[in-house]
Order: sequence, then structure tokens, then C-alpha cells
Amino acid sequence: ETAVFQTPNYHVTQVGNEVSFNCKQTLGHDTMYWYKQDSKKLLKIMFSYNNKQLIVNETVPRRFSPQSSDKAHLNLRIKSVEPEDSAVYLCASSSRLGEDTQYFGPGTRLLVL
Amino acid sequence: GDSVTQMQGQVTLSEDDFLFINCTYSTTWYPTLFWYVQYPGEGPQLLLKVTTANNKGISRGFEATYDKRTTSFHLQKASVQESDSAVYYCVLGDETQVVGQLTFGSGTRLQVYA
Repeated sequence: ETAVFQTPNYHVTQVGNEVSFNCKQTLGHDTMYWYKQDSKKLLKIMFSYNNKQLIVNETVPRRFSPQSSDKAHLNLRIKSVEPEDSAVYLCASSSRLGEDTQYFGPGTRLLVL
Repeated sequence: GDSVTQMQGQVTLSEDDFLFINCTYSTTWYPTLFWYVQYPGEGPQLLLKVTTANNKGISRGFEATYDKRTTSFHLQKASVQESDSAVYYCVLGDETQVVGQLTFGSGTRLQVYA
């Protein structure tokens, strides 16, 4: 049963545009995450967000920024997309920071032309 | 830092074959170990989790034993089905990590033919 929802499923855009992806979890969890999955299926953590505390993976370009309105939502904005941003972006949540079992959404596939 | 190694990028089997997916890890702590499975078009989902060394995790016919001596957490299944075709990730959970607390292996794509 899906409890982490992501929209859109798929998005095509051109280099330099801004995009925003939505994520909502209905599990009552306190912590949410964004991952990037490349074409070889490698998963890399981008951000974790807990109780207004944002932790950023230092390798993430500054054009990426997470946005949260409450603990159930964590959106991802990309200012001025680049071709290398083409990937699947996966949102996840866990009951608390440090609770290691994470629950993933279905992902948003981004294609940058 | 923490790392997880899955040497097999792809495994191809026939139904009812035995499955073995290799996983070794490196960490200075006592991690929780997981296997996650990702079916086409979906996000990864938890398959099994083991928190204590020398314990075995079992789920849906899959099993993995946390071997602290060899730092391994291999995944096995006695008899695979076509529906098991997916990407399998060995994952290390470490509360001391700054971001995310999970380190994913590179994944092993399993293809099972009827």
C-alpha cells in the first residue's frame, strides 16, 4: 500500500528551466529524504529534513533546494536544470531521524533535453 | 567511511533456480543491514532487515545472515519465481552518518525466466 506519494510521475523540460517535484507522506513520519537514482540504478542521498533541520549532502549542486510546508511534505526544486540532472528522483520518509527503515515513493523521472 | 559492495550487476536465472546475491560491507560501527527490492516503475521497498550480528532475516522466502566476521550479508532464495525479477539493493544503516543514514550498494538486477 502506497504511503509516500510523488508527483509528477514523469517530466520533460529544457536546459535552463526551473522544475519542482512534490512529495507527500501519510505515515506520520518526522523525517523525509530526497534521493537521486541514475540510469545505472545507483542511489545517492541528496537531502534529509527533520523538524525544520535540513541536512544537505555536500555533493549536491546549489541549484537543488528542498522546500517543506509541514512534516508531511517535502518538495524538490531545481533552478536552471542541466542535462546531467536527468534521473529518477525518489522521496522517502522514516519515523524519526536515525530510524533507519525508510519508505520510498514511486519516483519522478526527469528528462532534460 | 561506510561502503557496501555488490559485485554482481546482473543475475539471470530460470524459475525454481537457487538465488545467491553477494554483499559485503565496510564500517567502523555496528550497523543495521537491509535488503531493499525495487520492481520496475516503483521505488525501493524493504525486503528484510537485521539489526544483530549472527542473526538471520527472513521474508517472502528470501533470507540473509548478518555475518560480522566476514562482514557479509548475502541474499539467498531456494527457488525463484518470475515475479522476483527486480533490482536488489544491499543497504547499510548507520545512525552516525550525517545525511540519510543509509548507504546503498550498487544494486543487482535479477531476471528470472519462466
